[in-house]
Amino acid sequence: QSALTQPASVSGSPGQSITISCTGTSSDVGAYNYVSWYQQHPGKAPKLMIYEVSNRPSGVSNRFSGSKSGNTASLTISGLQAEDEADYYCSSYTSSSTLYVFGTGTKVTVL
Amino acid sequence: QVQLVESGGGVVQPGRSLRLSCAASGFTFSSYGMHWVRQAPGKGLEWVAVIWYDGSNKYYADSVKGRFSISRDNSKNTLYLQMNSLRAEDTAVYYCARDGVGVTGAFDIWGQGTMVTVSS
Repeated sequence: QSALTQPASVSGSPGQSITISCTGTSSDVGAYNYVSWYQQHPGKAPKLMIYEVSNRPSGVSNRFSGSKSGNTASLTISGLQAEDEADYYCSSYTSSSTLYVFGTGTKVTVL
Repeated sequence: QVQLVESGGGVVQPGRSLRLSCAASGFTFSSYGMHWVRQAPGKGLEWVAVIWYDGSNKYYADSVKGRFSISRDNSKNTLYLQMNSLRAEDTAVYYCARDGVGVTGAFDIWGQGTMVTVSS
């Protein structure tokens, strides 16, 4: 089971919107609505930002939103803020013997 | 508050064993599926293993299958990861994580992580 494909880096200015893609296959992202997104600041544990493609846990800013089309899921951050600078990972349930797979990770830089 | 605290990490020689623990508090541990996720230094996240809320099912990443074993003691609110035949490539920070939605992979609570270094 290969990792889901994410862009290595995405950047934007404060107040702008950015979108991070997460491309999988018909065995994972395309097959299930069990895509999650995580934010990880350096030296910290990941934090759940989106689950089941587009649901936000309590306490997560509504500036974060998720969607999916075919084998590609996306995380959009609107009104970009300095504190959004972090690494972001997607994950998906998969029909392979490895039940869950993470994305390669995207470093978000706020210019 | 809802919390997961890992312990048991350290430096171990290749081929040896180590057992990690994850103590849960602030929620009904026996109602949730639990996972181990690891992150090698400077690398991305890798899912390792999952155990159902009642321990009835366990699944592993291909990279650790046959060497690692996940278990839980609901009476002690504790999750375990027994790691045998350790290899250099197992060097990573190991996180335990709660699955907030059944076993769909929505890891909503994470521990702080425990470092495992496999080196001679």
